[in-house]
Order: sequence, then C-alpha cells, then structure tokens
Amino acid sequence: DAMVIQNPRYQVTQFGKPVTLSCSQTLNHNVMYWYQQKSSQAPKLLFHYYDKDFNNEADTPDNFQSRRPNTSFCFLDIRSPGLGDAAMYLCATSRAAGLAGGSDTQYFGPGTRLTVL
Amino acid sequence: SQQGEEDPQALSIQEGENATMNCSYKTSINNLQWYRQNSGRGLVHLILIRSNEREKHSGRLRVTLDTSKKSSSLLITASRAADTASYFCATGRSGGYNKLIFGAGTRLAVHP
Repeated sequence: DAMVIQNPRYQVTQFGKPVTLSCSQTLNHNVMYWYQQKSSQAPKLLFHYYDKDFNNEADTPDNFQSRRPNTSFCFLDIRSPGLGDAAMYLCATSRAAGLAGGSDTQYFGPGTRLTVL
Repeated sequence: SQQGEEDPQALSIQEGENATMNCSYKTSINNLQWYRQNSGRGLVHLILIRSNEREKHSGRLRVTLDTSKKSSSLLITASRAADTASYFCATGRSGGYNKLIFGAGTRLAVHP
C-alpha cells in the first residue's frame, strides 16, 4: 500500500545532541511537510518542500532544519535539542492541487515521538 | 498562529449516540478539512469541504460549513467505541501547496 513512513517511531536524545528524524513516502507526492505536535495541542507546521523548494515558516526556530535529497525522502534535523523540543513530529505529503491527480488532502505518517533527556 | 478554535475540548458519549464537534476560524479559506488522530498516532484525513459548499457527507460523517459565520461542524452518527480519538479541523488556502492550520482538537471518548 502506498504510504508515508516515519523512522524511528520513538527517539530519545540528550539535551544538545543533534538528532535526525526521517520520512519516506511511496505516494510520489511532490509536497512534503513537517509538523511539530506537543501534548494535547494542534499540529504546528515547521516547514515544507514543494518539489525541491524549501519553505520555512516564519516562527520556526533556526535549530530546526530539513533536507530532501529526492522525491521520496525528507529529513528533519534538530541541531541542538532542548527540553522544549520534546514532541511528536509528524511528516505529511500531498500532491499539489492543479497537478494531475492533485488535491488539498494531506497524508500523514504515524509520527516520531521525540524525548529529550 | 492558530486559525481554528474547536469546541468542546472534550466530549464523552455512549455508543450509538451522535457526536457533534464545532470549529470556528478567523480568516478567509478555500477549504476546511477534518482529521482524526488516534492516541499517539498520525492524523487520518476524514473529509474536505470547499468554501463554496455548505454540507458534505461521508458514511456516518456529516460536515457543514457556514462561511458567513466562519464555522464548521462535524457530526458523527451512531458512534462506536472505535470512534474514540481526537478530531481536528484544519483550514486551507489552495493554490500550489495547501497550507493547513489546525485547531486544538476535540477529544472524543465513546463508551461501550
């Protein structure tokens, strides 16, 4: 089945130790998103890639960066995690509306829960 | 900034009852979507309604949209224990990519 996969599902890191979360998709969608969701809160968009074009949200801390080496994979790098970065990180994809088969629906992976010690 | 506000924050009902969740938003939109999230999992898309639509159905789900009041409601009929989850509304502006802004969600508990 076509899907969005996130690895690992659970990640524990130490304060200040860089960590990378990964997302892959078999949907061949051209847009990939990273969201941060803290406990009992709404998912908050950090940034997205439209094809190879990176788009950062204005309030995303510099501590968060992303890479998209190809259509299928996207990585979230947290350079120096703080205690406040403990959260669920959700990857999502969509095929841009206006393209053949495109729509405004986003497809989410299961998330990676990050713990910072 | 958070676009959608949802109420109630939590809802507890018995199996077989209907569940209604409401969402209000602040700015103009192109579409409004509802997603479900089971505990500790990703979000699953339920239904999308466009700004020129007033009502949409999908199985046991009914969504309404009132753009004059900037509000939407999600009705789940004949609820089941498996419907227990958090439900989020998200507003979007189409064109290129669809940036979604999520509300804080309603936590629904359906008791057998």
